[in-house]
Amino acid sequence: ELKVEQNPLFLSMQEGKNYTIYCNYSTTSDRLYWYRQDPGKSLESLFVLLSNGAVKQEGRLMASLDTKARLSTLHITAAVHDLSATYFCAVGDFGNEKLTFGTGTRLTIIP
Amino acid sequence: KAGVTQTPRYLIKTRGQQVTLSCSPISGHRSVSWYQQTPGQGLQFLFEYFSETQRNKGNFPGRFSGRQFSNSRSEMNVSTLELGDSALYLCASRPTGGDSEQYFGPGTRLTVT
Repeated sequence: ELKVEQNPLFLSMQEGKNYTIYCNYSTTSDRLYWYRQDPGKSLESLFVLLSNGAVKQEGRLMASLDTKARLSTLHITAAVHDLSATYFCAVGDFGNEKLTFGTGTRLTIIP
Repeated sequence: KAGVTQTPRYLIKTRGQQVTLSCSPISGHRSVSWYQQTPGQGLQFLFEYFSETQRNKGNFPGRFSGRQFSNSRSEMNVSTLELGDSALYLCASRPTGGDSEQYFGPGTRLTVT
């Protein structure tokens, strides 16, 4: 059974600092997703990573995937308050649409 | 293009009742998945439908069921509601082939009292 571990669970950062969220998964997968969720809201797609070595960037967020290590990272550069949210990684099963989600990282950016 | 829509957005039910939630995928999307989100268990996969067929099911009791119609709209039903069924229920749609993106709807917040 696919298991996804995400850390840290909570992250409090000062504005302007850099940090990384880690997502480890237990079995081979063909795709990995990063989502953002604001309180009381749905999931907003950030990135879809499909191949080993894939790197995608949008604004202050950059995601990468190492399929050999079964590890994905979400790097935050020069954090701003608007990035405060809960971030989830999700890993897809081979051959079906099921996503297994990590526990989420609640990110708080302190001015 | 309109996004995934879910109705109702909020629902309050009593233990023992049943409930039906609806999801309309993005036009042209034929795959619809359902997820339950709770503070204790996080986001968990319920089931996925494609062309009116259930293709995959998560580890939930038989009280949770679903179906998909010929226009790809999907419903999920929970019978004999329990307090632990209180959750945010999210549906996601995905296009066929190519784009691997899964697009989530706004969710239905179910409260069981």
